[in-house]
Amino acid sequence: AQSVAQPEDQVNVAEGNPLTVKCTYSVSGNPYLFWYVQYPNRGLQFLLKYITGDNLVKGSYGFEAEFNKSQTSFHLKKPSALVSDSALYFCAVSDYSSASKIIFGSGTRLSIRP
Amino acid sequence: EAQVTQNPRYLITVTGKKLTVTCSQNMNHEYMSWYRQDPGLGLRQIYYSMNVEATDKGDVPEGYKVSRKEKRNFPLILESPSPNQTSLYFCASSPGVSGGTYNEQFFGPGTRLTVL
Repeated sequence: AQSVAQPEDQVNVAEGNPLTVKCTYSVSGNPYLFWYVQYPNRGLQFLLKYITGDNLVKGSYGFEAEFNKSQTSFHLKKPSALVSDSALYFCAVSDYSSASKIIFGSGTRLSIRP
Repeated sequence: EAQVTQNPRYLITVTGKKLTVTCSQNMNHEYMSWYRQDPGLGLRQIYYSMNVEATDKGDVPEGYKVSRKEKRNFPLILESPSPNQTSLYFCASSPGVSGGTYNEQFFGPGTRLTVL
């Protein structure tokens, strides 16, 4: 069965510092991995995805994520955090065998202090 | 503007009173899905639809019904709401005949439902 874990409920980072939001997954086949961001009182917005190819994926707002098959991880990163990055971040996973079921993690609240 | 719309945005109701939350997308997407968001649990998939007249259960389908008679609309029906269905609900759509497994989803603004 598919599963995804976001081990940190909250991540606090000072503005200008690098940030990492962690995600690990479990699927039976090759994973399709996604990151979404949710700002207050808004729906989720797509940030980036890994389907196949280069392990380093670049997305919106300067975010990137690295697919690590051996560690079954897909951590979200940004070299220099902005206060405006403060939001709730969700990792999601699916695979071809899951017949379009998508599993979301529990979310990580990112707080960037000025 | 390409978007997913949901109505109503806020709803307070009582146990047992049937309700429908509408979802519509104007992007001609084949795949549509409903999620509920609860604190500490993230988003959980309720139902999804690969195309017109093709719906399937997600992880938490109990107490919900859906229909997909037209490509653009995917209403969520609670026949007899109960307090444990109090939650924030999101509709989403995605392009591609292969479904939403590898295409990013576009989310609606959410419907906050309270069942007393």
